[in-house]
Amino acid sequence: QSVLTQPPSVSGAPGQRVTISCTGSSSNIGANYDVHWYQQLPGTAPKLLIYGDSNRPSGVPDRFSGSKSGTSASLAITGLQDEDEADYYCQSYDSSLSGSEVFGGGTKLTVL
Amino acid sequence: QVTLRESGPALVKPTQTLTLTCTFSGFSLSTSGMCVTWIRQPPGKALEWLARIDWDDDKYYSTSLKTRLTISKDTSKNQVVLTMTNMDPVDTATYYCARSLGGKADYWGQGTLVTVSS
Repeated sequence: QSVLTQPPSVSGAPGQRVTISCTGSSSNIGANYDVHWYQQLPGTAPKLLIYGDSNRPSGVPDRFSGSKSGTSASLAITGLQDEDEADYYCQSYDSSLSGSEVFGGGTKLTVL
Repeated sequence: QVTLRESGPALVKPTQTLTLTCTFSGFSLSTSGMCVTWIRQPPGKALEWLARIDWDDDKYYSTSLKTRLTISKDTSKNQVVLTMTNMDPVDTATYYCARSLGGKADYWGQGTLVTVSS
């Protein structure tokens, strides 16, 4: 059971917008620690998708965006494409865990 | 160009100690702010953060695995080593190393699958 809670799955049709939530607490997201998001395509290593809550690394399409409010963060994907079908993970720092980072439980995105 | 590669045994027996090496290029672990993190992923399951070593040799461990993990670096060889003692079948996973900057893992190795079985 991760300290960051994500929905196990979300789905959407091509062209639609989907959001993935990441719910934490006052010792992680609520303490304003950065939230990062990763995309893991089947059979591959995770890839950094969003860092520092809402920043995109070079090469990540602007269809992907991140936000944070209170003890939660969200990843939004607009103009859904078939190649977006993947697992998505949030990550943050948790002050109650002696300096360690934590990942969410992951969300499987299915493009219908 | 930043690259990382994990190496180590594909199979270990229960109770044995696992030693994994992360060999990297394209950055120096003596540069201020640079870190290397280990993350694992059991088959079909979520990512789990394991440990991190910083440029100044500060070390951080997963609270739940802290007693079993040791992380170290050899800056001259561009390597980071993770050891995990008392391996159990539940430790079967793909183990990744990643470069970390400001908490974010911006470059990942391809991962190495470690199976724990007698």
